[in-house]
Amino acid sequence: AQSVTQLGSHVSVSEGALVLLRCNYSSSVPPYLFWYVQYPNQGLQLLLKYTSAATLVKGINGFEAEFKKSETSFHLTKPSAHMSDAAEYFCAVSRSGAGSYQLTFGKGTKLSVIP
Amino acid sequence: DAGVTQSPTHLIKTRGQQVTLRCSPKSGHDTVSWYQQALGQGPQFIFQYYEEEERQRGNFPDRFSGHQFPNYSSELNVNALLLGDSALYLCASSFGQALYNEQFFGPGTRLTVL
Repeated sequence: AQSVTQLGSHVSVSEGALVLLRCNYSSSVPPYLFWYVQYPNQGLQLLLKYTSAATLVKGINGFEAEFKKSETSFHLTKPSAHMSDAAEYFCAVSRSGAGSYQLTFGKGTKLSVIP
Repeated sequence: DAGVTQSPTHLIKTRGQQVTLRCSPKSGHDTVSWYQQALGQGPQFIFQYYEEEERQRGNFPDRFSGHQFPNYSSELNVNALLLGDSALYLCASSFGQALYNEQFFGPGTRLTVL
């Protein structure tokens, strides 16, 4: 079974500061890993995904994440926060390979950006 | 391209009633997955439909059922509603089942059970 733990239900950063959202996963097989963003009253939008290629994954809006197998982590970073980054962020995991079509999400981290 | 659309936007039901939620996938997509997102929680996988069949199911009771039509649109049915079924129900579509294909999410249907 797969599971995801997101550390910190709420993170606040100043505009222009580094954004770091933490995600640790548990998986008995090599995982696929995802970060999604959800703006108020909207569905989820994919930021980036790891599917066993490069361990440093670049996504949209300047976000990136690094897959660290030894630490079972997939933390999301952005060098400089913008007001428009305020939203809720979800880390998700699935089994790699055929036969598994289920995403398992963490509980989410709400990001606030202070002007 | 309209993206993934869901209807209705909001719905209020009472305990014991039945509800049907609808989803139209993004153009070109043939796979639909449904998720339940309770307040303050991450989405939980309900099931996935591909080629008009349920292909995988999460940990949800049989009260939750679905259907996929030949045009790839889908319905989620919930019978004998409980207060705990109150949530945002999200539909996601993709081309093919594999999760390395991006899933596009709709805005959701907010269900309130009184």
